[in-house]
Amino acid sequence: DAGVIQSPRHEVTEMGQEVTLRCKPISGHNSLFWYRQTMMRGLELLIYFNNNVPIDDSGMPEDRFSAKMPNASFSTLKIQPSEPRDSAVYFCASSPDSTVNTEAFFGQGTRLTVV
Amino acid sequence: GDSVTQMEGPVTLSEEACLTINCTYTATGYPSLFWYVQYPGEGLQLLLKATKADDKGSNKGFEATYRKETTSFHLEKGSVQVSDSAVYFCALRSRDGGFKTIFGAGTRLFVKA
Repeated sequence: DAGVIQSPRHEVTEMGQEVTLRCKPISGHNSLFWYRQTMMRGLELLIYFNNNVPIDDSGMPEDRFSAKMPNASFSTLKIQPSEPRDSAVYFCASSPDSTVNTEAFFGQGTRLTVV
Repeated sequence: GDSVTQMEGPVTLSEEACLTINCTYTATGYPSLFWYVQYPGEGLQLLLKATKADDKGSNKGFEATYRKETTSFHLEKGSVQVSDSAVYFCALRSRDGGFKTIFGAGTRLFVKA
């Protein structure tokens, strides 16, 4: 099992540019989460999908952020336009189901730097 | 809403010392509780979990007991190693919370040789 795969691992972009982060969840998992990690705010849940449907996007900071899950094996998080305060590590995680007993499996993250 | 509070770090210990990282939670209903560990440059990975009151989760010498009466899930290890240096996150997942996993702020542990 390859685990959750995120790309790119590192991204440096200029303010105002569009950024797209990608995630391939573990095969067979039907829940997918996007988190953002910063020193100041810790680990924040941005959005949660179940069976490819967005269930809770209350953590998405503003309209510049959008997430899609067109099928069970792929999700994207897009920031347009990007700002320096978006600099963070973005994690994608998947879970086998939506029961409370199952843990989340994390990817290695994408470190985004907006200059 | 659901929340998790854990002790602030960093925690610095000498090798073979005892470790306790405190974690308390607020949740409606009956959450499952988790400890995750994050090594430098990596994503979080599950360390242990407990899914009902009085359950004890254990792994790699770490233990935590789900205490409903005190709403706590403290992480303990009797003898830490340098390789245990990492950031530890307490987390919960509940039906009433919409099945989201909610994390604490994390506690950084440094173990000196």
